[in-house]
Amino acid sequence: GAVVSQHPSRVICKSGTSVKIECRSLDFQATTMFWYRQFPKQSLMLMATSNEGSKATYEQGVEKDKFLINHASLTLSTLTVTSAHPEDSSFYICSAITGGYSNQPQHFGDGTRLSIL
Amino acid sequence: DQQVKQNSPSLSVQEGRISILNCDYTNSMFDYFLWYKKYPAEGPTFLISISSIKDKNEDGRFTVFLNKSAKHLSLHIVPSQPGDSAVYFCAAREHFAGGGNKLTFGTGTQLKVEL
Repeated sequence: GAVVSQHPSRVICKSGTSVKIECRSLDFQATTMFWYRQFPKQSLMLMATSNEGSKATYEQGVEKDKFLINHASLTLSTLTVTSAHPEDSSFYICSAITGGYSNQPQHFGDGTRLSIL
Repeated sequence: DQQVKQNSPSLSVQEGRISILNCDYTNSMFDYFLWYKKYPAEGPTFLISISSIKDKNEDGRFTVFLNKSAKHLSLHIVPSQPGDSAVYFCAAREHFAGGGNKLTFGTGTQLKVEL
């Protein structure tokens, strides 16, 4: 159980393109989804927290107009990187949980490798 | 400011022996700690967790120890197997007023289990 699917797994596109990444919880309802970014040989850095039906909460330094997050249902959240530039190239990973206070782990998707040329 | 630190970027252990991965943290508001395992080009996979009210949690070959006074936790894997070779991330959770929570990750330790 607790499977999170992320799509696409890899994207290569030109500078200025907008890219949408989907994160789905396949066998549970995800009240909260998280979006992370990982640079090579570094830790996972939280970008934003997304609760179903409400606006995402962004971490300090993350541009909300650049990284649009939508969590319209209990099983789907999307991250859109708008007008992507080479510096946006990174590994983006989503995770999901059910509920907020219980001691349960976040379950992660397999990530999306974004390369902007 | 790195609130969760894994000071060993890599660890090499012989098959059958014990692997000990360490993690230190600075934020006393963390109340729940987790270990994740990650293979290249995949997302992290949850391994084991521990609440801040406990000092030990065991699950099969994996045991996590928490020393709150030292703000230190460790993951023991025994016996180590070649399939355990991966990057291990320590993560710590903090709750916020209003109901939110957030995980802070360490930088990871690459474990290599040799035959």
